[in-house]
Amino acid sequence: AQRVTQPEKLLSVFKGAPVELKCNYSYSGSPELFWYVQYSRQRLQLLLRHISRESIKGFTADLNKGETSFHLKKPFAQEEDSAMYYCALSHTGFQKLVFGTGTRLLVSP
Amino acid sequence: DAEITQSPRHKITETGRQVTLACHQTWNHNNMFWYRQDLGHGLRLIHYSYGVQDTNKGEVSDGYSVSRSNTEDLPLTLESAASSQTSVYFCASSESKGAAGELFFGEGSRLTVL
Repeated sequence: AQRVTQPEKLLSVFKGAPVELKCNYSYSGSPELFWYVQYSRQRLQLLLRHISRESIKGFTADLNKGETSFHLKKPFAQEEDSAMYYCALSHTGFQKLVFGTGTRLLVSP
Repeated sequence: DAEITQSPRHKITETGRQVTLACHQTWNHNNMFWYRQDLGHGLRLIHYSYGVQDTNKGEVSDGYSVSRSNTEDLPLTLESAASSQTSVYFCASSESKGAAGELFFGEGSRLTVL
């Protein structure tokens, strides 16, 4: 069965500090991994996907198949990064996503 | 601009009542999804559809049904509302085929079952 685990419910850091939001998954096939973000009073939206290998708003995430992880990282957190972050997984070629329980990131000044 | 809209945004109902949450998208996406968001559980898939007349159960489908009579709409019906169905419901849509694409989410519908 597909499962996405985000062990931290809340991550609180100071502005300028590095951030790492953890995501581990269990899946026997070849998954596609995503990070979605929900800012206050905004819709849930895609932040980045592993196949794109891109950096969005300073965030990066590397798929580590050996550790079955897809951690989200940013070297210097900003206050506007405060939001709810969800890691999600899909089976290659299929559209439906399985989401983790989410991590709330709080960046303090 | 194309978008996805949900209605009602807020609903209070009583146990045992039938409730329908509407979802309408104007992107002409074939894929549509309903998720519920609960503290400690994140987003869980209720039902999904890959096209007209296609519907599939997700991981928490008991007590819910959907129908897909056209491309634009995927209404979610709670046949007999229960307090355990108090939640925030999100509809989403995406393009079809190939690699999983970006899901576009509605603003959510907050349902309270008393």
